[in-house]
Amino acid sequence: GENVEQHPSTLSVQEGDSAVIKCTYSDSASNYFPWYKQELGKGPQLIIDIRSNVGEKKDQRIAVTLNKTAKHFSLHITETQPEDSAVYFCAASKGGSYIPTFGRGTSLIVHP
Amino acid sequence: DSGVTQTPKHLITATGQRVTLRCSPRSGDLSVYWYQQSLDQGLQFLIQYYNGEERAKGNILERFSAQQFPDLHSELNLSSLELGDSALYFCASSAGQPTNEKLFFGSGTQLSVL
Repeated sequence: GENVEQHPSTLSVQEGDSAVIKCTYSDSASNYFPWYKQELGKGPQLIIDIRSNVGEKKDQRIAVTLNKTAKHFSLHITETQPEDSAVYFCAASKGGSYIPTFGRGTSLIVHP
Repeated sequence: DSGVTQTPKHLITATGQRVTLRCSPRSGDLSVYWYQQSLDQGLQFLIQYYNGEERAKGNILERFSAQQFPDLHSELNLSSLELGDSALYFCASSAGQPTNEKLFFGSGTQLSVL
């Protein structure tokens, strides 16, 4: 089955800095890559997603890049703010299968 | 607010007991997923239902079972509980269509087995 590795497990940055979280996947048939943000006491919330026919997608301060050849994708957050502090999960799934495999999560801490 | 409702928010019980977790999906979503989240295992997929039928099974123990009712709400039953079953249990829903895989998660049920 699919295996998703996520790094780093913890990321500490100063407010205003950029943050990058990286994920690799094992199944070359995976074609949908969502990112979720989980705040304390809440469920994961979809923040951005990308499909395998797209190399990059942006939404305000967040962007995701995908390298199909290397089977890795990354989440970039620019101008970080304290409210960006949360656990971020990457995931991968295949067309025809609706079950995403999640990475282990990255705890992002943004210091004011 | 994701539109997915889970009850109860917290559940404290003893080993050997049985509990039922309930989930109401977003309006219009036909698919329901159950996940278990623990510190050492991350988000583990348990089971998926689509319009009342079981569609996919993950790492769900035989002591656990689930069902989706005609009104599309779902229940996860956990029996013969063990200390290791203590975790956050999330329900998620989606439209269940090939071009719309977005999952929407509820706030979870925190289960503590003492």
